[in-house]
Amino acid sequence: GENVGLHLPTLSVQEGDNSIINCAYSNSASDYFIWYKQESGKGPQFIIDIRSNMDKRQGQRVTVLLNKTVKHLSLQIAATQPGDSAVYFCAEILTDKLIFGTGTRLQVFP
Amino acid sequence: DGGITQSPKYLFRKEGQNVTLSCEQNLNHDAMYWYRQDPGQGLRLIYYSQIVNDFQKGDIAEGYSVSREKKESFPLTVTSAQKNPTAFYLCASSIGAGTGRNIQYFGAGTRLSVL
Repeated sequence: GENVGLHLPTLSVQEGDNSIINCAYSNSASDYFIWYKQESGKGPQFIIDIRSNMDKRQGQRVTVLLNKTVKHLSLQIAATQPGDSAVYFCAEILTDKLIFGTGTRLQVFP
Repeated sequence: DGGITQSPKYLFRKEGQNVTLSCEQNLNHDAMYWYRQDPGQGLRLIYYSQIVNDFQKGDIAEGYSVSREKKESFPLTVTSAQKNPTAFYLCASSIGAGTGRNIQYFGAGTRLSVL
């Protein structure tokens, strides 16, 4: 929905630890799932995607897990760095439209 | 941001004024999109275009207009009918419909404020 309020869920992690950001999606017919990273004052940046017929995909320092049974998507960031601080959005592609999740703010402290 | 250029970065609108936000892409993408983002919230779709000379309303099209005369360009006009225009506006592009993996890539955004 559009009125999710001004207070995004926040995950605070120590530099060097692993981060896990979770997302629930709404439509079981979605073809692809995407994670975006948005730094303050910038546009969303594509991180990684996963097709609906997969349950895991790895990139550089990131892993996306897809659980279709419970409609859950997660993004794991290994060895979190200060530059990872941002808002992370999950999104699903359904009939060529992008449907965004609420977003989670990741704060990395030394 | 690679390949998608939005301008200006900051824009101020006087009451009753129409303003136009520019979006250009050199990715040879067929589809282009405009989103609005309010503080601490997600993105809401304003308009999208799957092909030149064609565009469709998104979820919050009222008070906005677009054109798609060239493949590379998709300008957004915020009209005086939009009573609450202050927001961060994002343009995106993608390969196009029917490709399945229709990932959207975003520009750096335009922040619009009302004087």
